[in-house]
Amino acid sequence: AQKITQTQPGMFVQEKEAVTLDCTYDTSDQSYGLFWYKQPSSGEMIFLIYQGSYDEQNATEGRYSLNFQKARKSANLVISASQLGDSAMYFCAMRDDTGRRALTFGSGTRLQVQP
Amino acid sequence: EAGVVQSPRYKIIEKKQPVAFWCNPISGHNTLYWYLQNLGQGPELLIRYENEEAVDDSQLPKDRFSAERLKGVDSTLKIQPAELGDSAVYLCASSRGQGQPRGTDTQYFGPGTRLTVL
Repeated sequence: AQKITQTQPGMFVQEKEAVTLDCTYDTSDQSYGLFWYKQPSSGEMIFLIYQGSYDEQNATEGRYSLNFQKARKSANLVISASQLGDSAMYFCAMRDDTGRRALTFGSGTRLQVQP
Repeated sequence: EAGVVQSPRYKIIEKKQPVAFWCNPISGHNTLYWYLQNLGQGPELLIRYENEEAVDDSQLPKDRFSAERLKGVDSTLKIQPAELGDSAVYLCASSRGQGQPRGTDTQYFGPGTRLTVL
């Protein structure tokens, strides 16, 4: 069974600073994908970034980067140059590539960006 | 490209009443998912469709929940009768489907339907 753990229920960051949101995972699968989604107060889950288990380089998408440490089973999200619009819930999720293909989500981290 | 469309956005009903949610996936996406999100938690899968076929409904409470995806496009999720504990957000997502190279089968979500059962 897969499990995602996000240990930070809430985080504060000053505008323009960088912030790291933690995510650890547990799986016995060899092939899997790791995702980060943003959920603003409007409720929609917005896809941010993806990392494959076989990818050797960390994924980057604009201001988002994923710090993937396979041996430690961690997939932390780094947001650079925080903006007020980054205030939202952030969910880490995992998908096994061969089985159910459903996403297993963590409990989320609420990020608040302060001016 | 239009995103995943869901309706209604909000629904308030009395317990024991029926309720239905509708989802229109992104054009060309063969796989459709229904997730349940309780307050303060991450979403959990209820059912996954590959085209018209429900390939994973192991987490769907079949005594009161049902779903269909006619013609492999739109989908409807129904609850009958609703219970107080069904109050939650129901999210629909879609992806291109199996057969895609690893990393390209990203799931894209709709805005969700927030259900309140009184």
